[in-house]
Amino acid sequence: DQQVKQNSPSLSVQEGRISILNCDYTNSMFDYFLWYKKYPAEGPTFLISISSIKDKNEDGRFTVFLNKSAKHLSLHIVPSQPGDSAVYFCAASGAFGNEKLTFGTGTRLTIIP
Amino acid sequence: DTEVTQTPKHLVMGMTNKKSLKCEQHMGHRAMYWYKQKAKKPPELMFVYSYEKLSINESVPSRFSPECPNSSLLNLHLHALQPEDSALYLCASSQDRVSDTQYFGPGTRLTVL
Repeated sequence: DQQVKQNSPSLSVQEGRISILNCDYTNSMFDYFLWYKKYPAEGPTFLISISSIKDKNEDGRFTVFLNKSAKHLSLHIVPSQPGDSAVYFCAASGAFGNEKLTFGTGTRLTIIP
Repeated sequence: DTEVTQTPKHLVMGMTNKKSLKCEQHMGHRAMYWYKQKAKKPPELMFVYSYEKLSINESVPSRFSPECPNSSLLNLHLHALQPEDSALYLCASSQDRVSDTQYFGPGTRLTVL
């Protein structure tokens, strides 16, 4: 049962444009969401997070949007840079017995120079 | 400083060998984790230590044996592994609760012959 889904396995974006990565979840108990970036053969690097009490969180070029009613979150990267090429995982956790960090399947982002 | 270190970076072992993976963090985090990641898959949780006590074991085979000697160190002892155990093993830590932001180490690439 995949509780966190990233339906786009890959995405290509022109350098300088906006990259939008999407993530859907099914468990309404999730209350904390994170995005990680991963290069091959390295550990995931934390990028940005959002609590369920917010609908937007911004950090530099990265903005995460949360739509609780749709159980959907997205990561916007603008402007996209070649160094952003990596696999991006969204992850979710919750309280009350559901505190494990559940990862999505990942989206490979390629920035085209 | 959000650094989690792991040694060794690469490990090749036979099915009869005994080896250990090491993880260290100096962020004062009280929760530490082992994950296993296969190619093109998200990280899978194996174990969670909270305040140096094992709090979650995700039904991992006994050939994997975790140990938390103190709040900064986490070991994973390996014995009689199978070729299908070959993967990237990731360590992570978080401030306190499992649902806090987790920071990952670079991983150990394990190959079982």
